[in-house]
Amino acid sequence: GAGVSQSPSNKVTEKGKDVELRCDPISGHTALYWYRQSLGQGLEFLIYFQGNSAPDKSGLPSDRFSAERTGGSVSTLTIQRTQQEDSAVYLCASKWQGSYEQYFGPGTRLTVT
Amino acid sequence: GENVEQHPSTLSVQEGDSAVIKCTYSDSASNYFPWYKQELGKRPQLIIDIRSNVGEKKDQRIAVTLNKTAKHFSLHITETQPEDSAVYFCAASDSSGSARQLTFGSGTQLTVLP
Repeated sequence: GAGVSQSPSNKVTEKGKDVELRCDPISGHTALYWYRQSLGQGLEFLIYFQGNSAPDKSGLPSDRFSAERTGGSVSTLTIQRTQQEDSAVYLCASKWQGSYEQYFGPGTRLTVT
Repeated sequence: GENVEQHPSTLSVQEGDSAVIKCTYSDSASNYFPWYKQELGKRPQLIIDIRSNVGEKKDQRIAVTLNKTAKHFSLHITETQPEDSAVYFCAASDSSGSARQLTFGSGTQLTVLP
């Protein structure tokens, strides 16, 4: 079946602009995560959605970052007033409730100029 | 919260030799420890995982060991091949609720020299 997909694959934006990144999880996966991977670094947790529960936003680095998940499926990560330090690869992952393994998408490479 | 440290950051081995990557974690309640492999420009993929009720797990050339007392776990790759070259990440589960949020190490760039 189809894996986790993300769009766009690459995004170049000017400092100060807003961007939206999209994630389509594997069908039936109730849990969805967003991570940020800066060059040469590990994966930094941003936010987590589980079913209809309130999201865990504890990893969001500032109030410029927000995310939503509509209908328990597609998720959008929004970064407002982008800064150069926001440049990174943004990865989405999903999993079955109660399972352990997270399945990752290919990521969106964001470059803020 | 959980903190995961990973060493070394880079590792070069000759083809056929073994490679070992080590991680330590801080939260004694963590109970799930996966290893992900990320090839250049590709998504991370799970290669092996271990849960806190076992000390070692093997899958062909890959093995993971866990020492709960010392709070460290290691990835062992035997008979390395050039296609093993990638960045490897360890992770530990945050055991709060059912989130199973993963805290990742900073990664190890493994290069297998032909």
